[in-house]
Amino acid sequence: QQPVQSPQAVILREGEDAVINCSSSKALYSVHWYRQKHGEAPVFLMILLKGGEQKGHEKISASFNEKKQQSSLYLTASQLSYSGTYFCGLNQGGKLIFGQGTELSVKP
Amino acid sequence: GAVVSQHPSRVICKSGTSVKIECRSLDFQATTMFWYRQFPKQSLMLMATSNEGSKATYEQGVEKDKFLINHASLTLSTLTVTSAHPEDSSFYICSATSRGTSTDTQYFGPGTRLTVL
Repeated sequence: QQPVQSPQAVILREGEDAVINCSSSKALYSVHWYRQKHGEAPVFLMILLKGGEQKGHEKISASFNEKKQQSSLYLTASQLSYSGTYFCGLNQGGKLIFGQGTELSVKP
Repeated sequence: GAVVSQHPSRVICKSGTSVKIECRSLDFQATTMFWYRQFPKQSLMLMATSNEGSKATYEQGVEKDKFLINHASLTLSTLTVTSAHPEDSSFYICSATSRGTSTDTQYFGPGTRLTVL
């Protein structure tokens, strides 16, 4: 079952914040976040392993709500380099099933 | 650390020919390798999971006789697209998980752009 991401696309000005949500109809055990630039492979951002866990990487952080079966990615004070498509991946039996992606564009 | 390479990065072939794509983990031993296919503006769709020394497990709808996967060692997996057709044109990406880690983080290769004429 593919997780559902929202929004599908977002346009930001440099310095603005954004939130990307990932929800699942199944119980979550771990959530992986990746960013993919056009024509390139996805790059690992972070993994969240247990409910309530929050992680951060520079100004990108994520939370994991096991009860709600969802995870959110927070991008603070966005930079031009944040542009790309963000995917959440859910572990299902040892393999990752990815959401449909959220296309983020940061404009100067 | 955790670098995965893929070769070739781009390939153009004629319809009916076979194409082999290599995926290598350069600085770690990969417990498991995964093969994905991605069409433009779409998500990554898992094709198969392969473990060293055993047969690959294919996802529903993926033809195992068309997409041959061989996982010869802990650092190398190959995907062969047999009798390729234009509808097989896509971006093929492999990933690997590191042996000996407690998480299931997947590290992706740079991808192979296949164009079938």
